[in-house]
Amino acid sequence: QSALTQPASVSGSPGQSITISCTGTSSDVGGYESVSWYQQYPGKAPKLLIYEVNNRPSGVSNRFSGSKSGNTASLTISGLQAEDEADYYCSSYTYHGTRVFGGGTELTVL
Amino acid sequence: EVQLVESGGGLVQPGGSLRLSCAASGLAFRDDWMHWVRQAPGKGLVWVAHINGDGRTTTYADSVKGRFTVSRDNVKKTLFLQMNSLRGEDTAFYYCARSGYRYASDVWGQGTMVTVSS
Repeated sequence: QSALTQPASVSGSPGQSITISCTGTSSDVGGYESVSWYQQYPGKAPKLLIYEVNNRPSGVSNRFSGSKSGNTASLTISGLQAEDEADYYCSSYTYHGTRVFGGGTELTVL
Repeated sequence: EVQLVESGGGLVQPGGSLRLSCAASGLAFRDDWMHWVRQAPGKGLVWVAHINGDGRTTTYADSVKGRFTVSRDNVKKTLFLQMNSLRGEDTAFYYCARSGYRYASDVWGQGTMVTVSS
């Protein structure tokens, strides 16, 4: 159950768009429409941003969007804001009936 | 208000046991898949285990299989994680979370810290 692969860090300026990738295998990301994305501030619990690849829960800004191609999923944040500075995690259901998270990406807003 | 509140964390010696609880309020609970997720200090999220609504289906990460047991009391709306044979690498914040969507957790507790050290 290896963790999904995410870049350790990304950065962008206010107003810009950034994309965070999440790479797995055909046994997890590529095999199911199950990728979700979470935002976590230091010392706080994670918050769900995207479920089932590209769906936003009620209350989540439409600046957050998700997509998937093959074994790689992506989270795009448009119109970057200072408050978006946080850690971001992807997650997927797996062939073994478990869940797996990515290693996390630290977003810095310059 | 929908809320999950974990308790039961603390300091335990290697080889020891601990039982975590997660009290739910404001949600149906009995129909919800529930998860435990942990996070070592300064590290990423790691899925630990999940259990279905009636408690008959459980699945575990390889790293805790045979040592941890997840269970639930739907009358008391409480989720449990029994942790035995604890190791230093089990030191982490432990979060409980609800699967409000089929593959995603929409409600999380605030976490409880478990420290395994002599």
